[in-house]
Amino acid sequence: GAGVSQTPSNKVTEKGKYVELRCDPISGHTALYWYRQSLGQGPEFLIYFQGTGAADDSGLPNDRFFAVRPEGSVSTLKIQRTERGDSAVYLCASSLTGGMESNEQFFGPGTRLTVL
Amino acid sequence: TQLLEQSPQFLSIQEGENLTVYCNSSSVFSSLQWYRQEPGEGPVLLVTVVTGGEVKKLKRLTFQFGDARKDSSLHITAAQPGDTGLYLCAGEAPYSGAGSYQLTFGKGTKLSVIP
Repeated sequence: GAGVSQTPSNKVTEKGKYVELRCDPISGHTALYWYRQSLGQGPEFLIYFQGTGAADDSGLPNDRFFAVRPEGSVSTLKIQRTERGDSAVYLCASSLTGGMESNEQFFGPGTRLTVL
Repeated sequence: TQLLEQSPQFLSIQEGENLTVYCNSSSVFSSLQWYRQEPGEGPVLLVTVVTGGEVKKLKRLTFQFGDARKDSSLHITAAQPGDTGLYLCAGEAPYSGAGSYQLTFGKGTKLSVIP
């Protein structure tokens, strides 16, 4: 596909469980971003990858959250010991570069995570 | 922490009316972007403004960046039901050399255009 894809589209889990959310960016895009959008809020930055490395993880709320991008393409956001407060839509975006000029970020449809 | 305040939070108008949405901050941004988001979808970029005082037009939508690059507005002329959606502004911080290009989003304005 031409756009950013995310799987699963919906994930329901129980408090305390581990979840993985996957993002497939647009082919050739070197920059990848994860955001979290709670109900009635705008997206909130979590982490930014340039290639394989996490260039900025300052938005991760705590050490239960971790993300990887081992080959510089697909990324996985991992959440350990989920809490009800983690319920939100997790959005992934990619851009051609993360350069100093303004860069257009293309967003996926998101994964709606519900922690019961 | 850079914050973006959007107003109004909700807006319901009749088809054909004009409206303006505001995005304000006490911080300076190197660029400001406007997105539209529909239910179950990710935000889609409408426009990026970079220069203080810049005005950009996209059909019936007019975007303006404040002279000090701290605020922006979106004006829609003769709103159509197809304009219904969540409008988000997002600011990109001045490059600090730390390698971060994160966007700071406002909470959004939920627009409903009634036929």
